[in-house]
Amino acid sequence: AQKITQTQPGMFVQEKEAVTLDCTYDTSDQSYGLFWYKQPSSGEMIFLIYQGSYDEQNATEGRYSLNFQKARKSANLVISASQLGDSAMYFCAMREVPVSNFGNEKLTFGTGTRLTIIP
Amino acid sequence: GAVVSQHPSRVICKSGTSVKIECRSLDFQATTMFWYRQFPKQSLMLMATSNEGSKATYEQGVEKDKFLINHASLTLSTLTVTSAHPEDSSFYICSARGTRIEQYFGPGTRLTVT
Repeated sequence: AQKITQTQPGMFVQEKEAVTLDCTYDTSDQSYGLFWYKQPSSGEMIFLIYQGSYDEQNATEGRYSLNFQKARKSANLVISASQLGDSAMYFCAMREVPVSNFGNEKLTFGTGTRLTIIP
Repeated sequence: GAVVSQHPSRVICKSGTSVKIECRSLDFQATTMFWYRQFPKQSLMLMATSNEGSKATYEQGVEKDKFLINHASLTLSTLTVTSAHPEDSSFYICSARGTRIEQYFGPGTRLTVT
């Protein structure tokens, strides 16, 4: 079963509009973390935002916010006032840490959403 | 802060040769480094996790003898693709984690085996 599901392979959004990128996850762990990364065409992975499973408030970082709905197991990324430079692939990822070995944490990535901002 | 470099950014090699890729954390100490592989238009797949001074932990299906990982210091990890074949052609990305929870990624290395 997919641990991270991103159902939108591609999205087109008008510049300056807000956009929501969907992400659902599957885990039986009580403690986990959710990340969003941006990958421009250059290939580097840029960290955007993090939400811990015990965080009560939704994470925000500038124009990025994470709409965390724990009961629904969703962690959608919201980008406000989109800009042309936001065009990129966006990956949702889940961090799991085995109880037996703290060092061997693992990030599992979704398949990504290609966001294109239209001028 | 939190800059990770990778070298080389691109490499073309002949089938049967070995290629070494370096991953460095430039402004922080990385207790753990990770190596990922990404095929075109696909997601990142974790290959292995390395902690400084200990053996790497490989994901299921990743050949240890083919993808040699060394994490010699808190700022350097290397991935050596031994006896490379065309099917090893891919985008290899490393990441590093220090005291913060997020992983910081290098810019990636595009390997082409001819």
